[in-house]
Amino acid sequence: EPEVTQTPSHQVTQMGQEVILRCVPISNHLYFYWYRQILGQKVEFLVSFYNNEISEKSEIFDDQFSVERPDGSNFTLKIRSTKLEDSAMYFCASSEWDGTGELFFGEGSRLTVL
Amino acid sequence: GENVEQHPSTLSVQEGDSAVIKCTYSDSASNYFPWYKQELGKRPQLIIDIRSNVGEKKDQRIAVTLNKTAKHFSLHITETQPEDSAVYFCAAPTDSWGKLQFGAGTQVVVTP
Repeated sequence: EPEVTQTPSHQVTQMGQEVILRCVPISNHLYFYWYRQILGQKVEFLVSFYNNEISEKSEIFDDQFSVERPDGSNFTLKIRSTKLEDSAMYFCASSEWDGTGELFFGEGSRLTVL
Repeated sequence: GENVEQHPSTLSVQEGDSAVIKCTYSDSASNYFPWYKQELGKRPQLIIDIRSNVGEKKDQRIAVTLNKTAKHFSLHITETQPEDSAVYFCAAPTDSWGKLQFGAGTQVVVTP
């Protein structure tokens, strides 16, 4: 069964450093998302991406965050200058279409900012 | 935007008993309501969803009911088993299908 894959599974970084989280969505999916889950809390929407541009973003997704689809398969989330409060599990998700399409989540990338 | 409230935050049940989790939503335009199960350290996985044109949907031991008038929907798990122990999240779309607003989650513990 096809699945969304994410790398790295865990990254530890120093405050102020740049981090790039990578995702490979399911190949025939057209809509891509990043969600965040702080330990023990709910899953929060960050950004959605379609047709090579951001379609929606939340208030969490400030200027420190950016997303990119550098090639036909990868979808990346960059945090320019990490803060302690960026420590969380970041989930990539994709869906076949933005209508009745189920969201498929990756296994997540745990980011720890020291 | 959508606001989703979920109760209870924790639920402890004996194996074989039923578990019910309730969610309310604020946006009357919402028309898709998925439920996700998240085991410790794992990704959220869709277990059932319902669209606003039906009031109930069942899949083996899991069922979801929707009351559009009252703007609430519930997850029912019957004949619970230890492997049902997990955190369950309800969700509803905000503005678009993929932008889901999640509830705070319910930690379900099924004791043998």
